[in-house]
Amino acid sequence: DTGVSQNPRHKITKRGQNVTFRCDPISEHNRLYWYRQTLGQGPEFLTYFQNEAQLEKSRLLSDRFSAERPKGSFSTLEIQRTEQGDSAMYLCASSLLAIYGYTFGSGTRLTVV
Amino acid sequence: DQQVKQNSPSLSVQEGRISILNCDYTNSMFDYFLWYKKYPAEGPTFLISISSIKDKNEDGRFTVFLNKSAKHLSLHIVPSQPGDSAVYFCAASEAGNMLTFGGGTRLMVKP
Repeated sequence: DTGVSQNPRHKITKRGQNVTFRCDPISEHNRLYWYRQTLGQGPEFLTYFQNEAQLEKSRLLSDRFSAERPKGSFSTLEIQRTEQGDSAMYLCASSLLAIYGYTFGSGTRLTVV
Repeated sequence: DQQVKQNSPSLSVQEGRISILNCDYTNSMFDYFLWYKKYPAEGPTFLISISSIKDKNEDGRFTVFLNKSAKHLSLHIVPSQPGDSAVYFCAASEAGNMLTFGGGTRLMVKP
């Protein structure tokens, strides 16, 4: 097992375009989380799944953001009509339970120009 | 409303000395606390954790202290090594759900 894998590592897109990121968690982990981190800040919770069910979404999450985890395995995060304020590092993590500590991927850095 | 705060954005210590990183929280429902370490271009990696039923947890050079009455936790690294230079995040969980992170403290350990 190579840990949590995120693709792509970097994405540059023009404002108004849609982007999609993929996260492959550790295979035996049933929980999957998406976080966003901007420069100088800590990771900010976006949403999480237990198996294929999306259990919680941050109230800060714009309706331009949508996440899926079909079949409870990999997950995708889509941002529609990107804005410059969406530029950030998008981090995925997986765990059995939060109390055991997440395992994070290396993130996808999004730059909206 | 920041529920987890790390008030020192940076800390510089000499190799071999103790590093103390601090974290304050406001949500009294948090029952589990964790520290993560992050190097540039990598995701955060889990370092050490503590349950709210304890006030101290130790793992090698790393010790986390929890003061529930003050809603304060700290991470002690002793002795500090240059390889410890990184950004450290504290995080808190309520009932095993998602983590809420502080803003991070950049630790620089000088040889």
